Amino acid sequence: AQSVTQPDIHITVSEGASLELRCNYSYGATPYLFWYVQSPGQGLQLLLKYFSGDTLVQGIKGFEAEFKRSQSSFNLRKPSVHWSDAAEYFCAHNYGQNFVFGPGTRLSVLP
Amino acid sequence: EAGVAQSPRYKIIEKRQSVAFWCNPISGHATLYWYQQILGQGPKLLIQFQNNGVVDDSQLPKDRFSAERLKGVDSTLKIQPAKLEDSAVYLCASSLEFQSQETQYFGPGTRLLVL
Repeated sequence: AQSVTQPDIHITVSEGASLELRCNYSYGATPYLFWYVQSPGQGLQLLLKYFSGDTLVQGIKGFEAEFKRSQSSFNLRKPSVHWSDAAEYFCAHNYGQNFVFGPGTRLSVLP
Repeated sequence: EAGVAQSPRYKIIEKRQSVAFWCNPISGHATLYWYQQILGQGPKLLIQFQNNGVVDDSQLPKDRFSAERLKGVDSTLKIQPAKLEDSAVYLCASSLEFQSQETQYFGPGTRLLVL
């Protein structure tokens, strides 16, 4: 069965520091990959997605992600974190209309 | 444009009671999804509709959960009877078409607590 893993349950970074959130998928073929953010009490908002072409994709709020087929990874990055980035981040993939979310990584930001 | 609307936002019921959630997708979106998000976990797809037809309900506990999308627009998700383990946030999402690369737009969710 297809699965998405996010190895880090909780990450804490200082404001202004760089960020990388890890995501790995299990399906062999190239899936469609997504990163969503969920703020407390809010629905999920799409940050970015990848389905073909350039393996480095740019998203909203200064986020980017890089697809690496050899590592089955789609890690999310941001060069300088803002306090408002504190939230839960979910990686997801969609293959054959089977949309699967990872367990999420909670990001805390220190002032 | 208006986003995905869900109601109620919160619901508290006792076990064995029934409950229903309502979702109004973004206008023109053909595909609608219901997810269950248990605390500390990622959303799990329960059912997806293309217009008013069910595409996939393989993860829907059909002995107690039901969903419909009459007229291919609004949708309701019902639980009858509810169990303690049904406590979760129920998210509705919609997308323009039923394609793998389509973005899903999520509503704010309905938080259910079963006592």
